[in-house]
Order: sequence, then structure tokens, then C-alpha cells
Amino acid sequence: EVQLVESGGGLVHPGGSLRLSCTTSGFRFSSYEMNWVRQAPGKGLEWVSYISDSGNTRYYADSVKGRFTVSRDNAKNSLYLQLNSLRAEDTAVYYCARGPTGYMDSWGQGNLVTVSS
Amino acid sequence: DIQMTQSPSYLSASIGDRVTITCQASQDIVNSLNWFQQHPGKAPKLLISDASKLETGVPSRFSGGGSGTDFTLAISSLQPEDVATYYCQQFDSLPLTFGGGTKVDIK
Repeated sequence: EVQLVESGGGLVHPGGSLRLSCTTSGFRFSSYEMNWVRQAPGKGLEWVSYISDSGNTRYYADSVKGRFTVSRDNAKNSLYLQLNSLRAEDTAVYYCARGPTGYMDSWGQGNLVTVSS
Repeated sequence: DIQMTQSPSYLSASIGDRVTITCQASQDIVNSLNWFQQHPGKAPKLLISDASKLETGVPSRFSGGGSGTDFTLAISSLQPEDVATYYCQQFDSLPLTFGGGTKVDIK
């Protein structure tokens, strides 16, 4: 069974940092491209970042470029998102999603990040 | 960025009704469009890919159509478990963008 489990969220002050993890199982992680998508409370979905299967190619939404960094450890079947210089508008549930940008077929349960003083 | 406009934002229909959701792209995206279903408090689920390909396990009452800039998601006979918010998503170019969502409820 394909499983993606996010962790690392929580309450952080504006300007602070956080590292999200997405631990996967049930599929060959190293063969899959991955994405992060977020959803602010009561709002719609916003794509955040993409990383290729090898980790050599990464893309970001303009709203997070220069502040967030996506990475992966294929030996640990894990995906990461480093969130720096956090703002109130980054408050959201963050989902990791398996697949290329055109086919995100499995998603984690989501992890809430709250940026507040 | 490609803007995705969904309508309506909310709809209420009776069990067994046919419902249709539309999604319009701000430019031609050919068939680079997916539909997701999201139940409250849950992760999105991929329903339809490439505008019209039903994902494995998705009931046949769901269908997708369209190409270019105009797309539709239809539910042929609304069921209680279909109460959810539906999102379209384009993948023609980065950044990926989603429609604003359509909340479907039972009358």
C-alpha cells in the first residue's frame, strides 16, 4: 500500500524556520518525482514545489522562491521541505504528493504549519 | 501564470441529480487538466487525468470532458459520498495552478 506521512509542522514565529518531512512506503520512492502543495485554512490548493526523481531538478512557486528549499533522500525514502523566513501567509496545511506535476496520484494526510506571534 | 476559473463555487443538488462543474483556463492548455476531489479534513484525491481519463477505482458516474480552454466535470447521478469540494488543476506550464474549487452539497 502506498503511504506518505508528513511530519514536522507546528507553530512558528514570523521570520522563523521549520523543516517538513514526508516519509514514504509501499512504492519505489527513488523512481518518482514529488511535489509539495499547500492549503491555507478554508482556502484552495496552491502548488509549492517540485523535485525530480534524482533531485537534480527543482521548481518553486514565486511566493516561496528563495525562502523554501525542497530536497530528498532516496536512501531514506523521504522528501523534505525547508521553510525559512516564514510569514503569516505561509500558514497552511502542507501536503506531499507523489508523481510528476501532471499526475499527482497519491497524497499524504497533510501537516499544519501555523506562523503567528 | 495560467488562471483557472471554476464555476459555480457552490452547488446544492438532490440525490440522483446530474451535476456539472466547469473550469476555464486563461489560455489554451490542450488537455493538460486534472480533477481532484477533497472531502472535508482529507487530502485531495485524483479523480480524472488528462481531462477525461478516469482514475482506477473512481465510480463511472464521474466523467470529464473538454479541451483547449473549457473543461467540465460531470457526476451523472449524485450520491451522498460525493459531498466534497472539487478542484481542477492545469499542468500545461509552471507554476501549476488550481481552480478556486466547487463545493458540492446535497439538497
